[in-house]
Amino acid sequence: NAGVTQTPKFQVLKTGQSMTLQCAQDMNHNSMYWYRQDPGMGLRLIYYSASEGTTDKGEVPNGYNVSRLNKREFSLRLESAAPSQTSVYFCASNLAGGPDTQYFGPGTRLTVL
Amino acid sequence: ILNVEQSPQSLHVQEGDSTNFTCSFPSSNFYALHWYRWETAKSPEALFVMTLNGDEKKKGRISATLNTKEGYSYLYIKGSQPEDSATYLCASLGLTGNQFYFGTGTSLTVIP
Repeated sequence: NAGVTQTPKFQVLKTGQSMTLQCAQDMNHNSMYWYRQDPGMGLRLIYYSASEGTTDKGEVPNGYNVSRLNKREFSLRLESAAPSQTSVYFCASNLAGGPDTQYFGPGTRLTVL
Repeated sequence: ILNVEQSPQSLHVQEGDSTNFTCSFPSSNFYALHWYRWETAKSPEALFVMTLNGDEKKKGRISATLNTKEGYSYLYIKGSQPEDSATYLCASLGLTGNQFYFGTGTSLTVIP
């Protein structure tokens, strides 16, 4: 089992460019999450998907879109990157949402110039 | 938005010392609490899931308690070892049950 995988690991963008961060899990989990980690702040939820076919906004959704492509994959898209989106992005999943343990991917470090 | 606070922000202890740190959360809006261990350059790894007032969980030398009435959880490490050096995160799930709010973590350094 690979667990939760993310691609790419590192990315540098210019302001205004777009990109998609990919996340996949092989644990047959129903729920998936995207977080961002910024210095001095806790992990903050961007979007989540409670089950295949559903997505909901988290605490900081502005500037992002998501797609739950199938049960395994949950992608995060930046349509027009801004320097404020420079961050480390983590994908996570759990079996059934709610209080279940979340399993995190290795993270994507994104810099927007 | 739930306000989850952790203290202290950082801690340096000698090998063999026991230590503890605190996670505070809104007692009026509580469903579950998670503790995670986060090593540098890795991803957060779950330690404990806690839901009931008075819960005590233990994994090796690490244990945690939960007080939902007053809104806090303690994480204890007995006989700290250098490999315990990491950031310890807590995350609180409110009554809506759909979004965890994370604290900023306690960074623990164990000096050999």
